[in-house]
Amino acid sequence: ENVLTQSPGTLSLSPGERATLSCRASQTVSSTFFAWYQLKPGQAPRLLIHGVSSRATGIPDRFSGSGSATDFTLTISRLEPEDFAVYYCQQYAGSPLTFGGGTKVEIK
Amino acid sequence: ELQLVDSGGGLVQPGGSLRLSCAASGFTFKTYGMHWIRQAPGKGLEWISYINGTANIKYYADSVKGRFSISRDNAKNSMYLQMNSLRAEDTAVYYCARDFGCGGACEANWFFDLWGRGTLVTVSS
Repeated sequence: ENVLTQSPGTLSLSPGERATLSCRASQTVSSTFFAWYQLKPGQAPRLLIHGVSSRATGIPDRFSGSGSATDFTLTISRLEPEDFAVYYCQQYAGSPLTFGGGTKVEIK
Repeated sequence: ELQLVDSGGGLVQPGGSLRLSCAASGFTFKTYGMHWIRQAPGKGLEWISYINGTANIKYYADSVKGRFSISRDNAKNSMYLQMNSLRAEDTAVYYCARDFGCGGACEANWFFDLWGRGTLVTVSS
């Protein structure tokens, strides 16, 4: 099983700041089978990024994804109030597909 | 409106059963594979089951294989998860989710572009 480790566990930032979230895989993720999701309490999770760097429909361009092999990054260029949430990475190259443990982005 | 509404959660005793439902609207349900994903309290997300559009392909995580059964009724735009022999470690919020799909070019894409809000299952005596 490909274990995904997200860091930091919590990121305390102010609106307007840049957020950089990391996800490290225990095994190489082949091709571009990597995604990011946003979760807020009581809401349906939202797909942000798939294929490492492709934004999902309706996702603003302040969200960007990058990386390869075992190291992947989600960047939020300028935090908006609605961006404070928990973010999860996912690899879907290997079976079973796996998720990271999450990074909480909280208001400083 | 494009949405998934999951329901059926509740409190059940260890060894008991529960059936979750997922109602879809706003898209052609029968053309999409569907998944169940769960999140235990304080833990990350865990994929548990998949069913393709015609319901002839089903997959399960090892943690639920032999106890859970996924199904769908395309006439009702609905998917189900029958959960038997429930254990304390099955306590979680259960989400239904739509596979991104690939227009028939592949079995599934294995990531999820539409989710329900989740339904809480608590297994406790």
